[in-house]
Amino acid sequence: AQSVAQPEDQVNVAEGNPLTVKCTYSVSGNPYLFWYVQYPNRGLQFLLKYITGDNLVKGSYGFEAEFNKSQTSFHLKKPSALVSDSALYFCAVRDSMFSGGYNKLIFGAGTRLAVHP
Amino acid sequence: DGGITQSPKYLFRKEGQNVTLSCEQNLNHDAMYWYRQDPGQGLRLIYYSQIVNDFQKGDIAEGYSVSREKKESFPLTVTSAQKNPTAFYLCASSIGGGRAVINEQFFGPGTRLTVL
Repeated sequence: AQSVAQPEDQVNVAEGNPLTVKCTYSVSGNPYLFWYVQYPNRGLQFLLKYITGDNLVKGSYGFEAEFNKSQTSFHLKKPSALVSDSALYFCAVRDSMFSGGYNKLIFGAGTRLAVHP
Repeated sequence: DGGITQSPKYLFRKEGQNVTLSCEQNLNHDAMYWYRQDPGQGLRLIYYSQIVNDFQKGDIAEGYSVSREKKESFPLTVTSAQKNPTAFYLCASSIGGGRAVINEQFFGPGTRLTVL
């Protein structure tokens, strides 16, 4: 079955330190991967996506993600965390088994990032 | 959240009532989606629509209904048949293009529905 796993419910980081939010996936065929961020009582904001090409994808707000095909991972990273980065982060993969003509996404359960001053 | 509006922000429903959540987008996107978000779970797809006058069930469509009479509007009705409707509901849209085109989805600010 196709799925996305975010193994950490919460990640705690000190401001200024690098952060990593983990994501692993299981899909048939080529993986198309996304990261979104959600602030309290708000909708999701798109951060970045991997379709093909360079394994290091750069996105909004200084975030980047590294695609690793052998480990089936797509971890989100940032070199220096800010308190304002504290939010809920979702990893998603396009459902390659879906027969319809559009991009159905499978979301992970989310990881709460807490950046402490 | 730009380009997609949802109303109301908070909605309270009594047992046995139907309620309708509004979703409007001005992004000229063909595809629109409704998701349900519960604490500790990822987003689950309720319904989606690729074009006007066409929509399909997602993973958890029971107890919900939608319409797509205009490109910019995709309202969701939570019916009395939905046994546990208390949740955060998110509407999204994306450029169409079929399976060959990989497009991100843009989300509205959400509606929090509470059953009293």
